[in-house]
Amino acid sequence: DIVMTQTPLSSPVTLGQPASISCRSSQSLVHSDGNTYLSWLQQRPGQPPRLLIYKISNRFSGVPDRFSGSGAGTDFTLKISKVEAEDVGVYYCMQATQFPYTFGQGTKLEIK
Amino acid sequence: QVQLVGSGGGVVQPGTSLTLSCAASGFTSAKYAIHWVRQAPVKGLEWVALISNDGRHGNYADSVRGRFTVSSDNSKNTLYLQMNNLRVEDTALYFCASELWGSGYVDYWGQGTLVTVSS
Repeated sequence: DIVMTQTPLSSPVTLGQPASISCRSSQSLVHSDGNTYLSWLQQRPGQPPRLLIYKISNRFSGVPDRFSGSGAGTDFTLKISKVEAEDVGVYYCMQATQFPYTFGQGTKLEIK
Repeated sequence: QVQLVGSGGGVVQPGTSLTLSCAASGFTSAKYAIHWVRQAPVKGLEWVALISNDGRHGNYADSVRGRFTVSSDNSKNTLYLQMNNLRVEDTALYFCASELWGSGYVDYWGQGTLVTVSS
């Protein structure tokens, strides 16, 4: 199975400041079709996960442009340009290149 | 508006069975695969199973293979996760979630249904 490792596991951030979460996979996420199936999900307290970013850097419908994704191969990053109060929650990276799909451990974003 | 509504959770004893349902609406079900993902209390996300868009193929995590079975009833736009020989470690909130077949990302998630396995 592909192991997804996120850092940090907890990220206290001041409102209006940027935040960054890293995700590393145990093997390349480049699929044989040339795509890299790396997504980022947000889970607010008491809510189901919500798709933010797919295929490394594509924002899903309705996702604010303060969220951005980047990376390649085995190293990926989610950035929030200016954190807002509604961004509090746990963020997960997820790979869908190979079964079983696997998730990172989650990074808890909280406001200082 | 895509909507996935999970149901069927409850409290059961180890070794027993339970079937979860996921009612789908707002999209052409023939184009979407449905995943089951679980989250143990205060834990992260674990992928459990997938049923393909045509309902003919399933894929399972090692932890549930041979005990869990996915199925679908297209006439009802409902997907099922049959769980047999339940273990304490299967206790979790179970989400159903959709993937446009071949897209490589899971886009919409249901609210989850809680399964508690306890003696």
